[in-house]
Amino acid sequence: EAQVTQNPRYLITVTGKKLTVTCSQNMNHEYMSWYRQDPGLGLRQIYYSMNVEVTDKGDVPEGYKVSRKEKRNFPLILESPSPNQTSLYFCASSHGQTMTSYNEQFFGPGTRLTVL
Amino acid sequence: AQKITQTQPGMFVQEKEAVTLDCTYDTSDPSYGLFWYKQPSSGEMIFLIYQGSYDQQNATEGRYSLNFQKARKSANLVISASQLGDSAMYFCAMREGNTGGFKTIFGAGTRLFVKA
Repeated sequence: EAQVTQNPRYLITVTGKKLTVTCSQNMNHEYMSWYRQDPGLGLRQIYYSMNVEVTDKGDVPEGYKVSRKEKRNFPLILESPSPNQTSLYFCASSHGQTMTSYNEQFFGPGTRLTVL
Repeated sequence: AQKITQTQPGMFVQEKEAVTLDCTYDTSDPSYGLFWYKQPSSGEMIFLIYQGSYDQQNATEGRYSLNFQKARKSANLVISASQLGDSAMYFCAMREGNTGGFKTIFGAGTRLFVKA
């Protein structure tokens, strides 16, 4: 089954404790992206990656890191989480080379993160 | 700067009637794609419809159609014959093809309530 998986689905942590949220897709997609969703703000892009070893900042990259060492995986790293990073996080992937409906993004189930 | 505006935080529609959800966008890139996603209360993001900036025809997918008015920079979603299962949050999104580096931005969303 074609899918994007994220782990963990729920996480409660404390300020300053490094964490990683994993994201994996099995559709051989070039493009992967991380978003955070906050009430009233919609989804805001954190980082995206056009292919292996190619990443770029979205609109809200501060406090986050990413890496793309393999095509299928795109982990999101919070080196020192703070309470303002409490949010619902989505990973997404798509084919990324042309501007067509082929670019439909497939989303993971989301990770709800609480930073105390 | 690229921007997506959804001016309707919430809307009600009677079952079996049509409803239009508004979306306006701002971009200076001639190549872009517009997307609509549905987020039910369960939280997953479901792709509905796509419109490319060079597409001559308005996109349609079953009961969903996109009223694309390029000069007005609007991309309204029309849902025909509303069903109770259409009650959800709806997001308009845009990805720029040339200058935006495939960055994607979302609007704040419109919550649709379908009444029986």
